Amino acid sequence: QVQLQESGPGLVKPSQTLSLTCTVSGGSISSGSYYWSWIRQPAGKGLEWIGRIYTSGSTNYNPSLKSRVTISVDTSKNQFSLKLSSVTAADTAVYYCAREGIAAAGNPLGADVWGQGTTVTVSS
Amino acid sequence: DIQMTQSPSSLSASVGDRVTITCRASQGIRNDLGWYQQKPGKAPKRLIYAASSLQSGVPSRFSGSGSGTEFTLTISSLQPEDFATYYCLQHNSYPPTFGGGTKVEIK
Repeated sequence: QVQLQESGPGLVKPSQTLSLTCTVSGGSISSGSYYWSWIRQPAGKGLEWIGRIYTSGSTNYNPSLKSRVTISVDTSKNQFSLKLSSVTAADTAVYYCAREGIAAAGNPLGADVWGQGTTVTVSS
Repeated sequence: DIQMTQSPSSLSASVGDRVTITCRASQGIRNDLGWYQQKPGKAPKRLIYAASSLQSGVPSRFSGSGSGTEFTLTISSLQPEDFATYYCLQHNSYPPTFGGGTKVEIK
């Protein structure tokens, strides 16, 4: 059974870059049948999709964050990563990584497996 | 972006009640919608995919319906473990967008 686990600093200073890694276990990130995504949730608020990456390295980013987001994949380590630059207090949230299936026609099927989430606080 | 309007934002119900939650999309999304349950401090868990298909391992008291712009999640007989927040998620158009959530509380 595939499991995802987020890791990274829990505290980031304003204007710096938030960096998180998601480690995939129980399956290969290179399987080709999935997108690998990042989603976040500020405390007490709703969910926001940040972006996704395919095993080939192709990415889609939420336009609202596109100028600050980079998602990358390391197939040798079965990991994918998130970098969010120029962070402010508004970026304080629980960050989740998730797996999203891909249909035969190539369209996404929604996130089915999620990591447990990691809390990132932006503060000096 | 496609806007997902979820209602109600909260509801109070008793064990055994039938509960219905609705999501409306700002444009047609076929059946590209999932329903998720989130408990405090936990990640969302998918209950329904493709608008009406039950995720493996999810109790049959959960059901989903709808297509196009209007979707419904129904809990046929609310159980104590069902008190949580529920979200819909459309993945028809990028970026995927969530409804605002429905908090189901104990009456």
